[in-house]
Amino acid sequence: DIVMTQSPDSLAVSLGERATINCKSSQSLLHSSNNKNQLVWYQQKPGQPPKLLISWASTRESGVPDRFSGSGSGTDFTLTISSLQAEDAAVYYCQHYSFDPYTFGQGTKLEIK
Amino acid sequence: EVRLVESGGGLVQPGGSLRLSCAASGFTFSTFWMSWVRQAPGKGLEWVADINQDGSATKYVVSVKGRFTVSRDNTKNSLYLQMNSLRAEDTAVYYCARPLLSGEIFDSWGQGALVTVSS
Repeated sequence: DIVMTQSPDSLAVSLGERATINCKSSQSLLHSSNNKNQLVWYQQKPGQPPKLLISWASTRESGVPDRFSGSGSGTDFTLTISSLQAEDAAVYYCQHYSFDPYTFGQGTKLEIK
Repeated sequence: EVRLVESGGGLVQPGGSLRLSCAASGFTFSTFWMSWVRQAPGKGLEWVADINQDGSATKYVVSVKGRFTVSRDNTKNSLYLQMNSLRAEDTAVYYCARPLLSGEIFDSWGQGALVTVSS
C-alpha cells in the first residue's frame, strides 16, 4: 500500500498570508502513460463531505479560486493557498489514485490566526 | 446537478449487519464506477470499496474484504453497501462518492450516513 504523509498536522495562518501544506507518498505517483502525477487535494469543512480542489497534482477544478495551487512530482507534493481567506479554514487531505487501496493523508487542519 | 443521497445508517451491535443505500441523480449513473469512502469520528478519510459500471468488478480495502459487499442497481440509479460482521472499528460516516472516468478522483460526494457499532 502507498502511505501518504502530510505535514504539518495543523497550522495557523493570518488572513492574506500564504499557507503551505505538504504531502509525501511512499511511492512515486507519476503515471507513465501521461507523465502526470496521480494525486488529488480535498478540502473538508465541519459537517460537510470533502470537496475536490485539485487533481493530477496541479489541475484546479472548475470553480476553485485561483489562490489554490498544487505542485510537486514523484513523491513530494504541495498545496499552496496564496492569500488566505476566512472561508479557507478547513481540513485538507491529499489522496493518491495510482492503484487500490486509494489512500489518503491524515489531514492538515488549517486555522486562521 | 449531481446528487448522491445515502440512507440506512444507524446503531448496530458488534457482529451485526447493516445495508447502506445511495440514490444517485443528475448524471448517467450506469456509465460511472462508484465508491464508498468512510470517516471515523474525528479521523481521516478511508476508501472502502469500488464497483464498476455493470457491477461485474469490485475492489475492497483489506480491512473489510469478506465482510462488506458493494453492489448496484442501474435500473434504480442506486448503490449499496452490505456490511456484515460489523466491528467497533467500522464506526464511521460512510460516504457514497463518484470517481471521475479518469481515475479515483472523487468529484461528487453524498452527505454521508453514520454507522455506529456498539453494544
